[in-house]
Amino acid sequence: EPEVTQTPSHQVTQMGQEVILRCVPISNHLYFYWYRQILGQKVEFLVSFYNNEISEKSEIFDDQFSVERPDGSNFTLKIRSTKLEDSAMYFCASSEDRGNEKLFFGSGTQLSVL
Amino acid sequence: GESVGLHLPTLSVQEGDNSIINCAYSNSASDYFIWYKQESGKGPQFIIDIRSNMDKRQGQRVTVLLNKTVKHLSLQIAATQPGDSAVYFCAELISGGGADGLTFGKGTHLIIQP
Repeated sequence: EPEVTQTPSHQVTQMGQEVILRCVPISNHLYFYWYRQILGQKVEFLVSFYNNEISEKSEIFDDQFSVERPDGSNFTLKIRSTKLEDSAMYFCASSEDRGNEKLFFGSGTQLSVL
Repeated sequence: GESVGLHLPTLSVQEGDNSIINCAYSNSASDYFIWYKQESGKGPQFIIDIRSNMDKRQGQRVTVLLNKTVKHLSLQIAATQPGDSAVYFCAELISGGGADGLTFGKGTHLIIQP
């Protein structure tokens, strides 16, 4: 069964450093998302991406965050200058097309900011 | 603001019994609901969805019930197995343009007792 893959599974970084979280969505999917889950809290929407541009973003997704699809397979989330409160599990997801709400999630990247 | 919530944070059932996980939603404009299962160390996995023009939908061993009058959603799992142990999230969406801003509840931890 096709799946969304994320790397790395764990990332430890120092406060103020830049991190890039990587995702390979399901190959025929066109709509991509990043969500995050702070330990013990809800899964929260960050951003959606369609047709090589941001479609929607939440209040969490401030100027420190950016997304990119650098090639035909990868979808990345960059945090420019990490803060302690950025520590969370970050999930990438994809769906077949705009209007198809069925999301497939990756296993996540656990980001720890020290 | 309006949000999705869950009635019980932890539910413990005997293996082989049926389980019911409940969810209350308060956004009357939501018209699409999804149940996700999240096993330890993994991303949310789609279980079943339902649109607001339905009040019941069945899958393999799972049934989702929607009561729009009281804004209540439930997930029934029949003949629970050890592999059903996980955190279950309900999520809501105002559909029409994709899964931007899917709103998750906090989760119920289902524990299957041997």
